[in-house]
Amino acid sequence: GAGVSQSPRYKVAKRGQDVALRCDPISGHVSLFWYQQALGQGPEFLTYFQNEAQLDKSGLPSDRFFAERPEGSVSTLKIQRTQQEDSAVYLCASSLGTRTGGESPLHFGNGTRLTVT
Amino acid sequence: AQKITQTQPGMFVQEKEAVTLDCTYDTSDQSYGLFWYKQPSSGEMIFLIYQGSYDEQNATEGRYSLNFQKARKSANLVISASQLGDSAMYFCAMSPGWNTDKLIFGTGTRLQVFP
Repeated sequence: GAGVSQSPRYKVAKRGQDVALRCDPISGHVSLFWYQQALGQGPEFLTYFQNEAQLDKSGLPSDRFFAERPEGSVSTLKIQRTQQEDSAVYLCASSLGTRTGGESPLHFGNGTRLTVT
Repeated sequence: AQKITQTQPGMFVQEKEAVTLDCTYDTSDQSYGLFWYKQPSSGEMIFLIYQGSYDEQNATEGRYSLNFQKARKSANLVISASQLGDSAMYFCAMSPGWNTDKLIFGTGTRLQVFP
């Protein structure tokens, strides 16, 4: 597709369930990012991949959060044993280059809205 | 600490008028990038404009311009000739340092354009 695609668009999980969120980046984009956006806030960095390598996972809030990009394209963000505080919009973004700038800005998907009940 | 501050939770502007959305940043890095993104109700973050810390001229992209004042650490977005479709959340973001790609976002400003 032309843009970054995320699925599902909405996800409701009961507390304690595991969830998996999918991101299809723009074809050929080297860099892939996951961000978490709480209600009324700006996005916060979770993790970064360059091709299949996860170079930075400093933003993952706990060891319940796990991300992978095994073949350097599609990525999955998995949250185990979901908690209410995990409720947020999870945004995926990709960029062509390895350095974010005006010539290689981040292109975001529409996000997955996760609600944990 | 590296931080982006947007002090205007909401702004109103009449169609065809210009509006300035404020952004200040804090970093000790000499090299950094500043971005503005638009987030309509659909949720997608749309890249608008970029300013590098070493760029001497203010960035412009169509109706968007970035008023970069390095000494004041401000990077205000100016939208000229506002349109109804400009109504959205606007986020200022910074990419600090040479070797980092992560963006640090502000809390956003909700812009409403009225006829």
